[in-house]
Amino acid sequence: AQTVTQSQPEMSVQEAETVTLSCTYDTSESDYYLFWYKQPPSRQMILVIRQEAYKQQNATENRFSVNFQKAAKSFSLKISDSQLGDAAMYFCAYPLTQGGSEKLVFGKGTKLTVNP
Amino acid sequence: NAGVTQTPKFQVLKTGQSMTLQCAQDMNHEYMSWYRQDPGMGLRLIHYSVGAGITDQGEVPNGYNVSRSTTEDFPLRLLSAAPSQTSVYFCASSFRVGQPQHFGDGTRLSIL
Repeated sequence: AQTVTQSQPEMSVQEAETVTLSCTYDTSESDYYLFWYKQPPSRQMILVIRQEAYKQQNATENRFSVNFQKAAKSFSLKISDSQLGDAAMYFCAYPLTQGGSEKLVFGKGTKLTVNP
Repeated sequence: NAGVTQTPKFQVLKTGQSMTLQCAQDMNHEYMSWYRQDPGMGLRLIHYSVGAGITDQGEVPNGYNVSRSTTEDFPLRLLSAAPSQTSVYFCASSFRVGQPQHFGDGTRLSIL
């Protein structure tokens, strides 16, 4: 079964510091995408960053970056200079396209608290 | 652009009632999907569609029906609501499953 695992149900960070959220996944595909989504208390789902597996370079979007280790099937999200507005649920997601299906599989999420 | 529009935003039902959650997108996206979100469970895929006339089951399809008669609309039907279907429901769309998903604002559904 294709799965996405986020092993940290909750994390906390001090404002202005750096935090890393972990995500591992299981796939037999060689070319795929990986996503991190943010869900603030407003309930909106917001794309944070996307990584293409065939690219060796880690994706970066301003203060957000990933550490993508394809062989280890690991896709962690690093948030630098944390801000109060970063407090949210963060979900890792993987699009499963094997066997004729096209399903986006989410991890169970990590709740990030940012302390002032 | 309106993006992905879900209606209603809140709904309370009694066990056994039926209802339809509406989802519409104006971005000409082929891929549309429905998720439910429960505490500690993340988002779980209910049904998805890769184009008009084509639907398939996700991870938790039981108790839900879908159809896709147009590119724009992808309604989710609960034929006989059960308390276990109390959840927050999200509709999403994109050109392909591998592209970033555009999410609606969600529907909070309570079944008594």
